[in-house]
Amino acid sequence: GAVVSQHPSRVICKSGTSVKIECRSLDFQATTMFWYRQFPKQSLMLMATSNEGSKATYEQGVEKDKFLINHASLTLSTLTVTSAHPEDSSFYICSAVKGQANTEAFFGQGTRLTVV
Amino acid sequence: QKEVEQNSGPLSVPEGAIASLNCTYSDRGSQSFFWYRQYSGKSPELIMFIYSNGDKEDGRFTAQLNKASQYVSLLIRDSQPSDSATYLCAVNPYGNKLVFGAGTILRVKS
Repeated sequence: GAVVSQHPSRVICKSGTSVKIECRSLDFQATTMFWYRQFPKQSLMLMATSNEGSKATYEQGVEKDKFLINHASLTLSTLTVTSAHPEDSSFYICSAVKGQANTEAFFGQGTRLTVV
Repeated sequence: QKEVEQNSGPLSVPEGAIASLNCTYSDRGSQSFFWYRQYSGKSPELIMFIYSNGDKEDGRFTAQLNKASQYVSLLIRDSQPSDSATYLCAVNPYGNKLVFGAGTILRVKS
């Protein structure tokens, strides 16, 4: 398999501050990365699709000005949660696609965000 | 109607038994189907994928797909306590986007 590294694994921040989460494909180039959020006992909800060199495509209901996504290179995508509020507390997970098929989608370790 | 539906469980099976996990999907045009395992607090890991009707076996795991019934299942033979986790069914409706079910909690009791 391939390795996707997500950092940080846990972060606690104060309301109103911004938090940046990084997702790196360590041993392959990822033209597409996906960002998910997962609330306790719920499934993964796709937030946005990030394509290298272009604007991210956000799912319906996801605020693009609140969740800023940058995919500046073939190995790095970042998600910035701006002006975080307690309701943004969740488990954020990225996945990177290797190749054209979804059989080659690999997940990062996830980031547990707690906003206090 | 949810796009991908799974029984939330928990499904409890004794060690050594067969665990059967089921999933239905609504988009008839979906072409590829995936089973992921997720341990608490961890990200999902891919167990199997299947594209064609019928069975696909990999070690103790067998995925079954019936496109006419829009149904996909995962069988785990000789279940072990380490198999205890949440199993997520995912469907690829188009492009390379995945839609996940809510997951089924499996508990294997020794």
